[in-house]
Amino acid sequence: QKEVEQNSGPLSVPEGAIASLNCTYSDRVSQSFFWYRQYSGKSPELIMSIYSNGDKEDGRFTAQLNKASQYVSLLIRDSQPSDSATYLCAVGGSTLGRLYFGRGTQLTVWP
Amino acid sequence: DGGITQSPKYLFRKEGQNVTLSCEQNLNHDAMYWYRQDPGQGLRLIYYSQIVNDFQKGDIAEGYSVSREKKESFPLTVTSAQKNPTAFYLCASSTSTSPSFGQGTRLTVV
Repeated sequence: QKEVEQNSGPLSVPEGAIASLNCTYSDRVSQSFFWYRQYSGKSPELIMSIYSNGDKEDGRFTAQLNKASQYVSLLIRDSQPSDSATYLCAVGGSTLGRLYFGRGTQLTVWP
Repeated sequence: DGGITQSPKYLFRKEGQNVTLSCEQNLNHDAMYWYRQDPGQGLRLIYYSQIVNDFQKGDIAEGYSVSREKKESFPLTVTSAQKNPTAFYLCASSTSTSPSFGQGTRLTVV
């Protein structure tokens, strides 16, 4: 069974701050990694994907991957109250599209 | 509009009943998935299908059944054998590494 662990949270940051979300995974051969955002009562939506070691930036979001440490993170710069949600880390399996999810980290950004 | 449509949005089931959750997609995706989410938990895979007339069990398939007779449709039946079915059910489809999700069905046992 592939394990995906996220920092338990909840995480609370002031508006404008950097929010840092962390995730570790157990399967060393995993090749694809994703961050989904889920608002309360809604379905998850994909916000970032990363496949290679290093950083990937998209607007205020930066995903960081370190395969040697089996670690993936998401940084949210200039956090906004609208970023308040649960962030799910997901790791791809050997079957295309099959994902393993962490429990999620609840983020609150206060004005 | 292209997308994944789940129905109903809310569903109530009596003890001992079977219920079927609908999932339809018009994205022309080959692969479809059913996940279950419990409060404070991540998503767990129930069943998935990569092609019409074929499907595989995920991590928590007991008490559930599926069919894939059409590319667009992947209904999930929650049988009476599922002892704790109250949860948020999410259908997804994919043509690549990252699935897109429908809006979900919230099932409650009454």
